[in-house]
Amino acid sequence: GQQLNQSPQSMFIQEGEDVSMNCTSSSIFNTWLWYKQEPGEGPVLLIALYKAGELTSNGRLTAQFGITRKDSFLNISASIPSDVGIYFCAGQYAGGTSYGKLTFGQGTILTVHP
Amino acid sequence: DAGVIQSPRHEVTEMGQEVTLRCKPISGHNSLFWYRQTMMRGLELLIYFNNNVPIDDSGMPEDRFSAKMPNASFSTLKIQPSEPRDSAVYFCASSPTNEQFFGPGTRLTVL
Repeated sequence: GQQLNQSPQSMFIQEGEDVSMNCTSSSIFNTWLWYKQEPGEGPVLLIALYKAGELTSNGRLTAQFGITRKDSFLNISASIPSDVGIYFCAGQYAGGTSYGKLTFGQGTILTVHP
Repeated sequence: DAGVIQSPRHEVTEMGQEVTLRCKPISGHNSLFWYRQTMMRGLELLIYFNNNVPIDDSGMPEDRFSAKMPNASFSTLKIQPSEPRDSAVYFCASSPTNEQFFGPGTRLTVL
């Protein structure tokens, strides 16, 4: 089946540090998305990537669509306590008609110590 | 703009009872997805619709689960009869093309 591996599973960092997480796929994607989920809420879309090599920023967040179309990373600079949550990558496989169906990574649990 | 609306936010029921979860997608979105999230299994896609038509229900655990989308602005996920192992958070998401937008979820507890 289709596989999407996200790492690390969890991170414990000090406020002010930079964070990096990534996802790799066994198949080619045509879309990569990054979501953040806070306790008691649904995942919220942070960044969407549509082209291989694309680098997109949203405030302190930067994400890139890997050139091979099989990976993506998310960086958070100068972390703050409100960055705490679970970060998910998600991708849409190239080819076929999927009507927006996504495959999700297992999530990265981020804890930021003040 | 109103996002995806789900109701109820919390549901506690007893084993054997019927449970109905409701979702109103974002207006204009033509795809709707139902997910289940647990600590053990993460986020699982149960079923999704495009233009109100079920496209893929291979993620539905068993016949006790059913989903309908009678029109573009409403969908239900029904569990009958419910079992304790159905306890989870159920999310509805809608999508115009590639990006999915999630509702706040329904936390279901089956005693």
